[in-house]
Amino acid sequence: GEDVEQSLFLSVREGDSSVINCTYTDSSSTYLYWYKQEPGAGLQLLTYIFSNMDMKQDQRLTVLLNKKDKHLSLRIADTQTGDSAIYFCAESYSGGGADGLTFGKGTHLIIQP
Amino acid sequence: ETGVTQSPTHLIKTRGQQVTLRCSSQSGHNTVSWYQQALGQGPQFIFQYYREEENGRGNFPPRFSGLQFPNYSSELNVNALELDDSALYLCASSLGSGDEQFFGPGTRLTVL
Repeated sequence: GEDVEQSLFLSVREGDSSVINCTYTDSSSTYLYWYKQEPGAGLQLLTYIFSNMDMKQDQRLTVLLNKKDKHLSLRIADTQTGDSAIYFCAESYSGGGADGLTFGKGTHLIIQP
Repeated sequence: ETGVTQSPTHLIKTRGQQVTLRCSSQSGHNTVSWYQQALGQGPQFIFQYYREEENGRGNFPPRFSGLQFPNYSSELNVNALELDDSALYLCASSLGSGDEQFFGPGTRLTVL
């Protein structure tokens, strides 16, 4: 079945850039997402990219997609303490339709002062 | 505009019991998706309801069932609870199937 892999932890210094990586196995994935989860809160969609795109930039966030290697990354520029959270990579063929979203296990982003 | 709400916040049940979790979708949304998030894991898709019909299902046994009502709120029912059913259950609503999903804060279920 489909699988999405992420490293479990990333520690960065405040003000540095954070790069969170993800690999997926389903070559039919059409939509690829990054979600943020803070304690006691639901999942918040940060950004998404279509599989026919290589890059998407949205303020401090940059998403890079290497479709050949099935590799997705999220870069957060000028990381702040408020960015401390769990970041989930997810994929879907239907855009969250009948097949739902397939999530990775999440990367805990730890910000050092 | 009210976001997605879920009730109860926390719930404790014993093995073999049945549980019903509730979700109110965001105004104007006709689609609800349910996910199970075990501790330290990512959410796993249980099923989706679109206009009161089950629209898609993940790899969960039939003892996981659902309903969607005419106002598009939804219930998740789990029968014959097992210890492994202990998890955070998330519901997400969307304008339609395939549109952006907005998640609620979840219901934490503990099965003893």
